[in-house]
Amino acid sequence: DAKTTQPPSMDCAEGRAANLPCNHSTISGNEYVYWYRQIHSQGPQYIIHGLKNNETNEMASLIITEDRKSSTLILPHATLRDTAVYYCIVRVGSGNTGKLIFGQGTTLQVKP
Amino acid sequence: DTAVSQTPKYLVTQMGNDKSIKCEQNLGHDTMYWYKQDSKKFLKIMFSYNNKELIINETVPNRFSPKSPDKAHLNLHINSLELGDSAVYFCASSLNPGTGELFFGEGSRLTVL
Repeated sequence: DAKTTQPPSMDCAEGRAANLPCNHSTISGNEYVYWYRQIHSQGPQYIIHGLKNNETNEMASLIITEDRKSSTLILPHATLRDTAVYYCIVRVGSGNTGKLIFGQGTTLQVKP
Repeated sequence: DTAVSQTPKYLVTQMGNDKSIKCEQNLGHDTMYWYKQDSKKFLKIMFSYNNKELIINETVPNRFSPKSPDKAHLNLHINSLELGDSAVYFCASSLNPGTGELFFGEGSRLTVL
């Protein structure tokens, strides 16, 4: 079972920041948080990941709370092409047998 | 130049048949995976191979048999297809088995009639 809980859907206005929340209250100390997205009829796409510190790359920012029980993915300037299902994932296990367990994700609809 | 490519993209077949889906990655990665996405859109890991060796085998019926002839290829063979096997199957690869940064293919939609 997935160790994350996300709202099933969210809307965002084009050009605005999209903030996608995720709860992972049972996360273990060495488990990373990963974010992926799946645009309709395509394969999942890696966005970003983190352990404790906030992370930023060209796609998004990841804010992880100090207790690590929740995180927020931020798309700074959402475009219509960002409409997708966004998955927050805790990579369970460690080393070579670690696994990504996908949950239901959040369907983000970016509107003009 | 597609990084992770799967064939066929669509597959329609009758119950009881045997079919294969092929996957190739040109990223030089050591690790490859098969995931299944059912009609409710849940993505579940099925298998993981590292350098041709099986390292993750989830609770998958024996009718599913992965084969990795080399580290750039991971094929999925399914025997005696059942209605419940209808799904989209995604192949993925990663640099090594210790990372969660996976590169997914476009998926192969299998429909069993």
